[in-house]
Amino acid sequence: NAGVTQTPKFQVLKTGQSMTLQCAQDMNHNSMYWYRQDPGMGLRLIYYSASEGTTDKGEVPNGYNVSRLNKREFSLRLESAAPSQTSVYFCASSEGPTDTQYFGPGTRLTVL
Amino acid sequence: AQSVTQLGSHVSVSEGALVLLRCNYSSSVPPYLFWYVQYPNQGLQLLLKYTTGATLVKGINGFEAEFKKSETSFHLTKPSAHMSDAAEYFCAVSVKTTDSWGKLQFGAGTQVVVTP
Repeated sequence: NAGVTQTPKFQVLKTGQSMTLQCAQDMNHNSMYWYRQDPGMGLRLIYYSASEGTTDKGEVPNGYNVSRLNKREFSLRLESAAPSQTSVYFCASSEGPTDTQYFGPGTRLTVL
Repeated sequence: AQSVTQLGSHVSVSEGALVLLRCNYSSSVPPYLFWYVQYPNQGLQLLLKYTTGATLVKGINGFEAEFKKSETSFHLTKPSAHMSDAAEYFCAVSVKTTDSWGKLQFGAGTQVVVTP
């Protein structure tokens, strides 16, 4: 099992460009999450999906959109990237809302 | 809403010495508590978790943590540090309510450096 995979691993964007971060899990988990990690701030939840077909906002959703494409895949889209979105983005999945979350390796995004 | 405070953003320990990482939480309902570890350029990996039952929880790599409700703490310890323990450690809390729905709230992290 690959667990949680994310693509791309690295990305550099210019302000105003758009991109989609991809996440897939092969553990048949119901719940999936997107976090961003910034120095000294831990991880902050951007969006989550309790189950296939549902999505909801987390702590810092502004500037992002998500799609739960199917049970395996959960994508994060930046429509118009800003320098404040420079961060490391992690996708995670869990069996249910209070179960252990398993994290992907992260995407390092720089917005110039 | 729940929150997590990790005391000390950086901790330096000698190889073979005790590792103690402090975590305090606030929650109005019984919490689920987690410790995650992040090695350089990797994702987070679960060390251990407390949900209910025994308050002393043992995890991977010789780590353990004790849930103390009266102190609202969940400190992480390891009796003898190894060079491979150098990493960043995150404490997290989750509660099962209609508002919070099990969302993980992370602390800011503690970077552990192990010196020979």
